[in-house]
Parts: sequence; structure tokens; C-alpha cells
Amino acid sequence: DAGVTQSPTHLIKTRGQQVTLRCSPKSGHDTVSWYQQALGQGPQFIFQYYEEEERQRGNFPDRFSGHQFPNYSSELNVNALLLGDSALYLCASSLAATTGLNIQYFGAGTRLSVL
Amino acid sequence: DAKTTQPNSMESNEEEPVHLPCNHSTISGTDYIHWYRQLPSQGPEYVIHGLTSNVNNRMASLAIAEDRKSSTLILHRATLRDAAVYYCILRDWGSGNAGNMLTFGGGTRLMVKP
Repeated sequence: DAGVTQSPTHLIKTRGQQVTLRCSPKSGHDTVSWYQQALGQGPQFIFQYYEEEERQRGNFPDRFSGHQFPNYSSELNVNALLLGDSALYLCASSLAATTGLNIQYFGAGTRLSVL
Repeated sequence: DAKTTQPNSMESNEEEPVHLPCNHSTISGTDYIHWYRQLPSQGPEYVIHGLTSNVNNRMASLAIAEDRKSSTLILHRATLRDAAVYYCILRDWGSGNAGNMLTFGGGTRLMVKP
């Protein structure tokens, strides 16, 4: 059973460019969340997708956008890249739950470097 | 959101028990206590969670104080593979969708010496 897979594993971009990161959830999961992890810090929640809609969003600017496809896979898009966007981007999948107790399963992340 | 406080780092010897503390003095009655850990070069992984009673699973044990203002993650016999950053997270089961996100703090970096 494949877990959460993310691509690419590493990416180098320059300021002002746009980037798209991809995530395939664990088999059977329908909810995808994205997190940003700066070096030496804990992950910070960006947003969550369920039924192809953004269900919840953290404190991130509109430059960060996402999409979920009918097969539950997801993309994270970042426009007008800044040096401060350099980080590890983590995708987590889970089953939809209203109680918020659902366990989240994380991928290994995409390391984005902005030069 | 209720916040947690953890030591920045701890050290342990291999094969010995490890007690990782977490303070959450502003915990509400609907907050579950979750622990995740992040091994080097990997994403976080779920370890254990509890509400009021102590919990055990194959990975660890969770001891929760009677007033729920603190908890301790217990690794019974640390191995080199347990070297990771351990995060203590509160999740509000009563907040519907708002409880689906994980709010990470800085966590505790556990170093295991052979």
C-alpha cells in the first residue's frame, strides 16, 4: 500500500517565478492538507482540500493556491516566489472527519529553494 | 488555540526509557492531546493520542496528568531509530472542520546515544 507521495523531491526556482508541487494521497484517503516547514521550525498549516474544495486555510497569502482533483490528488501552486518561500513543503492525507481526530499521514516533502 | 510548551532538546541513552514532557496549561475540555514525530529527512508521523486516560500502543505510552495541564510521552526503550523531533499537539474534537489542521510548535529534538 503506497503511502503519501510527493513530487518533485527537490526544486530550485528564482524570485518571481511560479511553482507547482504535487501530492498523491494514501490509498482510500479523500482529504489533503499542505504544510510549509522552514528550516529548524515546525510545519505551518497552509490549507486543506476536501471534495475538490478548499475547506480550511491558514495564515498564508493568496500567492499560495491549490487544487484537488477527482482522484483526490492535489497540487500546491505558489506565484511570485520570494526568498522566504524557501522551505520543505509537506503534504498530508487523511479521511474526512468532522471531529478533527483523523490521523494525518505525511509525505516526505518537496524541498523548494528560491534563489 | 491552546498552546503547548516542550523542551527544545533532550538526550537519552540507547535501550533506556525516555520521558518527553509537554505543558498545556490552557487546554480546554474538548482538546485531545496528540503526539507526532519527525525523523530526519521525513515528514511527521503519528505516534499516539489521548483525552484523559493514559494510553498505550506499540510505539509509545502517553501519561496524562489528572488536571490535563501536562502530559508525558514515554518511549520504553529508546533505539537509535527513535532520534527525531517530537511534537505535542492539541486538537479540538468539538470544533468540526477547524480541528482538522495540525498546529505544530517547535517540538523536542530527541538525541539517542549508543
